[in-house]
Amino acid sequence: EPEVTQTPSHQVTQMGQEVILRCVPISNHLYFYWYRQILGQKVEFLVSFYNNEISEKSEIFDDQFSVERPDGSNFTLKIRSTKLEDSAMYFCASSEAYFGPSGANVLTFGAGSRLTVL
Amino acid sequence: QKEVEQNSGPLSVPEGAIASLNCTYSDRVSQSFFWYRQYSGKSPELIMSIYSNGDKEDGRFTAQLNKASQYVSLLIRDSQPSDSATYLCAVKFAPFQGGSEKLVFGKGTKLTVNP
Repeated sequence: EPEVTQTPSHQVTQMGQEVILRCVPISNHLYFYWYRQILGQKVEFLVSFYNNEISEKSEIFDDQFSVERPDGSNFTLKIRSTKLEDSAMYFCASSEAYFGPSGANVLTFGAGSRLTVL
Repeated sequence: QKEVEQNSGPLSVPEGAIASLNCTYSDRVSQSFFWYRQYSGKSPELIMSIYSNGDKEDGRFTAQLNKASQYVSLLIRDSQPSDSATYLCAVKFAPFQGGSEKLVFGKGTKLTVNP
């Protein structure tokens, strides 16, 4: 079963430090996403990425956040200067397509990276 | 603002019973509907997707969609203790008329199946 791989599984950082979370999407998928889930709260959309550029971002995804696909396999989320409120589980997801009733728009999630900001 | 609402529960059912989970959404032009299961500390795992009005069955799971009522539900038959988890309803709103690529999640319903 193809899977989305995320590293690290848990990162602890000091407030103000930069963090990079890494993801390897499923190989034939074209759409990549980052979501986050603060403990006890909803899963929230951060950003979607297609054809080497951001296709959509939420209001959460401010200038402190950036995404990159530095090579053909990795997809990264960078937080430039972490805040306490960035502590959350960050999920990477990928899909073959983004829309349509065919099932190709189904998102597969990685296991998540837990970020703790002290 | 596109919204997805779920009763947060907890919902407690005995082993072997039918668990019924409900979800309402705010936008009539929503196209794709998903149920994910999330164990504590884990990532969402897809259970069912449904796109057309009516029922869709997959093993012990049945998803029901009523677009006129803006309502989607998940039935779990013969509930097992291993089904104990939080069930997330997620909706993808249509790209036209203000929709987008993103999934909008409800807060989830916590289900406990008692042996």
